[in-house]
Amino acid sequence: KQEVTQIPAALSVPEGENLVLNCSFTDSAIYNLQWFRQDPGKGLTSLLLIQSSQREQTSGRLNASLDKSSGRSTLYIAASQPGDSATYLCAVRYMEYGNKLVFGAGTILRVKS
Amino acid sequence: ETGVTQSPTHLIKTRGQQVTLRCSSQSGHNTVSWYQQALGQGPQFIFQYYREEENGRGNFPPRFSGLQFPNYSSELNVNALELDDSALYLCASSLQTDTYEQYFGPGTRLTVT
Repeated sequence: KQEVTQIPAALSVPEGENLVLNCSFTDSAIYNLQWFRQDPGKGLTSLLLIQSSQREQTSGRLNASLDKSSGRSTLYIAASQPGDSATYLCAVRYMEYGNKLVFGAGTILRVKS
Repeated sequence: ETGVTQSPTHLIKTRGQQVTLRCSSQSGHNTVSWYQQALGQGPQFIFQYYREEENGRGNFPPRFSGLQFPNYSSELNVNALELDDSALYLCASSLQTDTYEQYFGPGTRLTVT
C-alpha cells in the first residue's frame, strides 16, 4: 500500500523564522507531488506542484523540492508570518493509482507574533 | 474564471438517512474527484468521474455513489448514513492532462448524529 508521511505533525515557531516541512513517500514511481494549505474547517489551496521530472518549484517565499530516489519532498517557508499559520498537506500521485491523490496527515503550523 | 464550488456548506443528518452533496467544477475542467477528510487526518479518495463515467474508486462501500452531469458538475450520494461518515467532504476538479493538477472546493461539513 502506497503511503505518504509528514513530519513533524505540529510546529510552532516565532515570526520571521525560516522553516522546513517534510514529506516522505513509499514509491519513486510517481507522476507528481503537490503541496496544499488548509485553514481550519476550509478547503485546500494548492501551493506548489512538482512534476516527477523536476527537482524543485518556487512561489514567493515558498520553495518545494523533490528527491524521488529517497522518496522525500520538503517545503521551505522563508521569513514566516502569522498569516502562514495553517495545516500543510503533501499529496502524491502514484503511477500505480492513476489519477487519485494520496495525502499525508498534514503538519499543523503556528507562527507566533 | 469561477473556482470550484460546493453546496451545502454544512449539513446535519441522522444515522440511517441519505444525503446528497453537490459540486460545480472549475470552468473548463472535465474531471471531478471526491475526497473524505475526517478530523485530524488527510483527505481520503472516494472516487473520480471523467465525462460522466466513474474513473477510479477508493476503498469506500457501495453506499457511496456519485454522478457527473454533462456540464461537469457532480453529486456525491451517501445512503444509510453512519456516525463515522461525519467528515469534511471535498470536491476537486481537474483536466485530463499530464499535470492533472487538482483544484479543491471549500468542502461540505457533514455531521451524522
